[in-house]
Amino acid sequence: DGGITQSPKYLFRKEGQNVTLSCEQNLNHDAMYWYRQDPGQGLRLIYYSQIVNDFQKGDIAEGYSVSREKKESFPLTVTSAQKNPTAFYLCASSTGPNTEAFFGQGTRLTVV
Amino acid sequence: KQEVTQIPAALSVPEGENLVLNCSFTDSAIYNLQWFRQDPGKGLTSLLLIQSSQREQTSGRLNASLDKSSGRSTLYIAASQPGDSATYLCAVWPQGGSEKLVFGKGTKLTVNP
Repeated sequence: DGGITQSPKYLFRKEGQNVTLSCEQNLNHDAMYWYRQDPGQGLRLIYYSQIVNDFQKGDIAEGYSVSREKKESFPLTVTSAQKNPTAFYLCASSTGPNTEAFFGQGTRLTVV
Repeated sequence: KQEVTQIPAALSVPEGENLVLNCSFTDSAIYNLQWFRQDPGKGLTSLLLIQSSQREQTSGRLNASLDKSSGRSTLYIAASQPGDSATYLCAVWPQGGSEKLVFGKGTKLTVNP
C-alpha cells in the first residue's frame, strides 16, 4: 500500500540527548514536510524539502535538523538545543508545492 | 501573513443531524484549500482538496465549498454518525512563494448516539 510511514510511534528522550524521527514515503512525492503539533495550537512547520539534497527552514526550525539524501526519506533530528521538544510530530508529503498533502500517523516525543 | 481561523473550536450534535464546519482565511490569494480529519493520537487524513478555481468538492456525505473572495470555506457533513467524531482541520496553500500549508486550530466534533 502506498503511504507515509513514521517511526517510532512513541519516543522518549532524556535531557541533553539528540533523537531522530524517521519518515519514509512510497508515493513517489518530491516534496516532504515536518510539522509539530501542540495542544491548543495549529500545526507549525519545522522544515520542508521540495527536492532531494535540498531543504528549507520553516517557522520553528531552531533546535531541529533534517537531511534529504533519498527521495523517499526525510528524517528529523531533535537536538539538545530544542528547549521544549515534547510534542506530536507529523511528517507529510505532496507531489509538489501547493498540491494535496498526505500525512503519516505521527510520532509522539516525550522528554523524561 | 496568512491566518486561518476555525469556529467553533468544539461542536456536539446528536446522531443524524446535518452540520456545517466553518473555516476563514485572511488573504484570498491561495492556490487551494484542504480539509483534514484527525482522530485522537493519530495523523491527518485528507478529506477534500478544493482548488482556487473551484467552488465546491464532494466526497460521499461530505461537501466542501470555497468562497475565495470572502475568505471562507465550509465543510458540510450530512446525516452525521458517531464515527464522524474527530477533529476537523482546514488548511490553505497561500500564493506568494511560501510553499507551505497554513493550518487552522481545528473544530472538535462529537456526534452523540
